[in-house]
Amino acid sequence: DIQMTQSPSSLSASVGDRVTITCRASQSISNYLNWYQQKPGKAPKLLIYAASSLQTGVPSRFSGSGSGTDFTLTISSLQPEDFATYYCQPSYTTVTFGGGTKVEI
Amino acid sequence: EVQLVESGGGLVQPGGSLRLSCAASGFTFSDHYMDWVRQAPGKGLEWVGQIRNEVNRYTTEYAASVKGRFTISRDDSKNSLYLQMNSLKTEDTAVYYCVRGTYGAFDIWGQGTMVTVSS
Repeated sequence: DIQMTQSPSSLSASVGDRVTITCRASQSISNYLNWYQQKPGKAPKLLIYAASSLQTGVPSRFSGSGSGTDFTLTISSLQPEDFATYYCQPSYTTVTFGGGTKVEI
Repeated sequence: EVQLVESGGGLVQPGGSLRLSCAASGFTFSDHYMDWVRQAPGKGLEWVGQIRNEVNRYTTEYAASVKGRFTISRDDSKNSLYLQMNSLKTEDTAVYYCVRGTYGAFDIWGQGTMVTVSS
């Protein structure tokens, strides 16, 4: 199975900050990488698919990049509603999610 | 409105069984792969398994942690997805999400149903 290592596991940031989260795959997955946002008590929400494509309705301050084994989720200017936990996920059978990154104030 | 609604969660003793259901609406259910993802209290997301569509012969895949104990099925005529869970363990305690797959991304999630395995 492909293992996903996400970092950092948590970070503290302020409104307006640029935030970067990374995800590393144990083997090349081309661009088959998705990002999700989860707020407490809610189901996750798809933000980015195929490494860099913005899901419909997701604000443009979110962006994704990378291919092969190294991927990045960037929030260009953190907003109050962005404080949440973020997960990466490879688009493969027998999926393993990244461990998550909690973005806190 | 595209929607997934899970039901069937609850409290069950270790070794017991439970069947979760997921009702889909607002999209062509039969076209999509469907998955179950769970989240133990205070933990991250864990993929449970997948069932493919008719074109792909309704084949299934499971996480190693549930293989042989859990069975995913679907009824396209009822726009419904199911998760039969047998030989439940305390570590199966989690919120279980029904999820729509679109080209490998989980683009629609249900609200989740809580399963508690405890004596």
